[in-house]
Amino acid sequence: AQSVTQPDIHITVSEGASLELRCNYSYGATPYLFWYVQSPGQGLQLLLKYFSGDTLVQGIKGFEAEFKRSQSSFNLRKPSVHWSDAAEYFCAVDGNYGQNFVFGPGTRLSVLP
Amino acid sequence: NAGVTQTPKFQVLKTGQSMTLQCAQDMNHNSMYWYRQDPGMGLRLIYYSASEGTTDKGEVPNGYNVSRLNKREFSLRLESAAPSQTSVYFCATQGAETQYFGPGTRLLVL
Repeated sequence: AQSVTQPDIHITVSEGASLELRCNYSYGATPYLFWYVQSPGQGLQLLLKYFSGDTLVQGIKGFEAEFKRSQSSFNLRKPSVHWSDAAEYFCAVDGNYGQNFVFGPGTRLSVLP
Repeated sequence: NAGVTQTPKFQVLKTGQSMTLQCAQDMNHNSMYWYRQDPGMGLRLIYYSASEGTTDKGEVPNGYNVSRLNKREFSLRLESAAPSQTSVYFCATQGAETQYFGPGTRLLVL
């Protein structure tokens, strides 16, 4: 069965600092990979996705993620964090066109002024 | 387009009561999903429906039933609510590339 781990439960960064959120997955082949963001009291919004091709993918709000097959990782990065980025971030994998969508436990991001 | 809508937004139940969570989509997607979200556990799939007239169990189906009323609507029913079902419930649909989520229903079972 596929699984997703996000090693950091909670990360705090200062506004303007760089950010990297870690995601590792376990799956027999290369699944589709996603990052979602959830602001307090809101639903999930897709930040970016990787299906194939270039391993560095760009998303909305200035986020990017890099797929590393050798490490089974799909880490999310942002060069300069804004206070509005404070939210919970979920990594997810899909191994079967939506019928096997698995989410990681989430990483909560706090941003200091 | 409203996308994915859910009602109610918030509900308080007593143990043993029943209720139905409603989900509707105007995206013309075939597949729909119900997840629950609990702190530290991400989202876990309760049931999904690959198309109108079909439903399948997900990771945590016990205590729930679903109905795919038509292509637009997918409801989740709790027949006898338990405190362990206190959670935030999300409905989602499957598009060509990813899932689209509703705003969630926050359920408290006392």
